[in-house]
Amino acid sequence: GQNIDQPTEMTATEGAIVQINCTYQTSGFNGLFWYQQHAGEAPTFLSYNVLDGLEEKGRFSSFLSRSKGYSYLLLKELQMKDSASYLCAALDSNYQLIWGAGTKLIIKP
Amino acid sequence: DTAVSQTPKYLVTQMGNDKSIKCEQNLGHDTMYWYKQDSKKFLKIMFSYNNKELIINETVPNRFSPKSPDKAHLNLHINSLELGDSAVYFCASSQESGEVNEQFFGPGTRLTVL
Repeated sequence: GQNIDQPTEMTATEGAIVQINCTYQTSGFNGLFWYQQHAGEAPTFLSYNVLDGLEEKGRFSSFLSRSKGYSYLLLKELQMKDSASYLCAALDSNYQLIWGAGTKLIIKP
Repeated sequence: DTAVSQTPKYLVTQMGNDKSIKCEQNLGHDTMYWYKQDSKKFLKIMFSYNNKELIINETVPNRFSPKSPDKAHLNLHINSLELGDSAVYFCASSQESGEVNEQFFGPGTRLTVL
């Protein structure tokens, strides 16, 4: 079956760095998305990776290893506004998005 | 200039009623989606639809039906509402199905069935 695993919740300190991991098993693979969802709001797109390696976009970076079925989202210089859920989603061979349950990130001062 | 909009934002209704949620996108996208997000925050695809194809998640009860009057709209109609239908329903759109395109989400409709 198809499956996405990510931690349920993580806590980090303002100004620090946090890494949110995601492992996936899908029927075929056409890339991996990360979305951010603040409480009570809609998910918003953060990143897309299809090739192995690290993609950097400001304070956020996303990494992919296709051979390991693994990705992570790296958040640097954490701010209180980064408190949100981070959703990992893999695109399968039919271009259907398979979603993880999300990782709730709590930032403490 | 909202990209994907949904109405209503909140919907409270009794078991057994029939209700509709409307979705509109002004992005010129070809594909629209409906998701259900339950209390555990898991996003579950219900439907994806473009002019050519409706893809239904087989786990979705047939009480749920998407209706698309035109390319910019995909409404969700729910018959005989049940307590388990309480959730947040998100509409989303993307440029084209069958390709890699990010999805843009509407603000969500929080449905509460009493």
